[in-house]
Amino acid sequence: EVQLVESGGGLVKPGGSLRLSCVASGLTFSTHSMNWVRQAPGKGLEWVSSISSSSSYIYYADSVKGRSTISRDNAKNSLFLQMNSLRPEDTAVYFCARRGSGDGFDIWGQGTMVTVSS
Amino acid sequence: QSALTQPASVSGSPGQSITISCTGTSSDVGGYNYVSWYQQHPGKVPKLMIYDVSNRPSGVSNRFSGSKSGNTASLTISGLQAEDEADYYCNSYTSSGTRVFGGGTKLTVL
Repeated sequence: EVQLVESGGGLVKPGGSLRLSCVASGLTFSTHSMNWVRQAPGKGLEWVSSISSSSSYIYYADSVKGRSTISRDNAKNSLFLQMNSLRPEDTAVYFCARRGSGDGFDIWGQGTMVTVSS
Repeated sequence: QSALTQPASVSGSPGQSITISCTGTSSDVGGYNYVSWYQQHPGKVPKLMIYDVSNRPSGVSNRFSGSKSGNTASLTISGLQAEDEADYYCNSYTSSGTRVFGGGTKLTVL
């Protein structure tokens, strides 16, 4: 079965840290760029970060730049997002998504919920 | 990194056609043929409907089509069906290498 499975979400206090993981199975992972996209409760989609297939190109949204680090391990078909100095406005469902052969996110995970609250 | 501009809502009757616009700038939508569209039903994961402005992934109905003129991309849904009722988001590559989504459009099938 083709799937992306995220984990690592949870409840964290403001200023805390979390490391999100996304494991791919049944699909080609190592040759595709990967992305993190988040969605705050009742809000729209927000692109967070992307990493190229070889990790040579990494980009972040201004909202997380300097506080987050994206990485991947192609040998383990895994994608990561280290999030530090978390703020209440980081509360959201975090999806990992694969960029397909064309420019579009063709495969999405089910998401992992991150709640930042005291 | 300002969000692309989409109408908050659109509506149409079954069988009709609707178009959702997505307006950006020459640094994103207008500068690249890298616009994609996503459908999201409540509580569900987004689904890719259009990539590279006008291409449909395998399995997506040909009732869905995409286009672009200048800094505005459009998603057209023809022959509206009840199951098309959902939120729709556009996304574009930007000149800084980042990506940006539109604010989303709620489609209501009357």
